Amino acid sequence: TQLLEQSPQFLSIQEGENLTVYCNSSSVFSSLQWYRQEPGEGPVLLVTVVTGGEVKKLKRLTFQFGDARKDSSLHITAAQPGDTGLYLCLGSGAGSYQLTFGKGTKLSVIP
Amino acid sequence: EAGVTQSPTHLIKTRGQQATLRCSPISGHTSVYWYQQALGLGLQFLLWYDEGEERNRGNFPPRFSGRQFPNYSSELNVNALELEDSALYLCASSLNGQLQETQYFGPGTRLLVL
Repeated sequence: TQLLEQSPQFLSIQEGENLTVYCNSSSVFSSLQWYRQEPGEGPVLLVTVVTGGEVKKLKRLTFQFGDARKDSSLHITAAQPGDTGLYLCLGSGAGSYQLTFGKGTKLSVIP
Repeated sequence: EAGVTQSPTHLIKTRGQQATLRCSPISGHTSVYWYQQALGLGLQFLLWYDEGEERNRGNFPPRFSGRQFPNYSSELNVNALELEDSALYLCASSLNGQLQETQYFGPGTRLLVL
């Protein structure tokens, strides 16, 4: 079983601050996706990273896939209250269809 | 275009009963995934169906089962319900089950077992 550890589990910051969320595993993933989930709704895909060392930017969000494809990070610049939500990473196992979600990071951005 | 739909939105059962949850994928999608989101445990992969066949299942007991119909909609059945089965059950669909495909999630069915 492949495990994905997300940290921190909870994060409460002031509007305008920067933050980084991590997703780590001892296993190699063929791809990793980041989702954001708001209360009462299903997760919504933010980005998919595939290549080791890949960096993708989505406005104020920067996603990075580790060189060894075992870890990923999500960095948010100048956080806004609209960024509040549960951030989840989903790893697809290399070679077979194994899906593993991290437990998520619950982010609260205070105005 | 309609997204993934799930029914019912809420379901209350008692221990030992059976629950049936339904999911309709986005039109044109052949793959359906089921996840359990329980408090403190995060999102856990339950089942994956594609083209009517079960392709993979997560680490759940056999009383969790399901099927996919010819129109690609899917049903999740949970037999002999236990209190710990109380959770949000999410369904997602993707185009044809290829790795790295985007999964689109429904709003979920919240199951409460008393």
